[in-house]
Amino acid sequence: EAGVTQSPTHLIKTRGQQATLRCSPISGHTSVYWYQQALGLGLQFLLWYDEGEERNRGNFPPRFSGRQFPNYSSELNVNALELEDSALYLCASSLAGRGLETQYFGPGTRLLVL
Amino acid sequence: AQTVTQSQPEMSVQEAETVTLSCTYDTSENNYYLFWYKQPPSRQMILVIRQEAYKQQNATENRFSVNFQKAAKSFSLKISDSQLGDTAMYFCASLYSGAGSYQLTFGKGTKLSVIP
Repeated sequence: EAGVTQSPTHLIKTRGQQATLRCSPISGHTSVYWYQQALGLGLQFLLWYDEGEERNRGNFPPRFSGRQFPNYSSELNVNALELEDSALYLCASSLAGRGLETQYFGPGTRLLVL
Repeated sequence: AQTVTQSQPEMSVQEAETVTLSCTYDTSENNYYLFWYKQPPSRQMILVIRQEAYKQQNATENRFSVNFQKAAKSFSLKISDSQLGDTAMYFCASLYSGAGSYQLTFGKGTKLSVIP
């Protein structure tokens, strides 16, 4: 069974541009979570999507947004990129989000903002 | 809010030896899960082990086991017969259903090096 997949593997952008990151969950999983792993800041929760709806977001500005598609894949958009947005972005998926379920992670997208 | 603390930024162990990584957490919830994830240099976050708070029995997965002390809010990971492939960052994490949210809260991580 395929795990969580993410694309692209690496992404290089310049300040002010927009970045789009993609995630496909494990088959049968309906919840998708996004986390940012920035150097020195650890892993921080960004967004949670379940059944196509945004259910919760972490302490990030509105220029971080996303959506979940009918097939439960998800997209994370970062607008007006800033240098401090450089980080590894990890996507995780779990079975239906209304319960304590194990989250399984993808390989991540490394975003570099120049 | 939950917090997770890993007090050992770096550790090393000889191959085939046993090592214990420490983790403490703080929560007022009764129902929560605790996890250890491993992140090797390839950066893929891999689930090592899970512990449900309502279970008194410590979880084990092959060479990996935990010492879950609920009253002390302690959740340590023991790796037996350490192998070179165990070299990685290890993150302790908690998951609870506070306010209908289910995000993981991570510690800062412990970098484990297995020495041949």
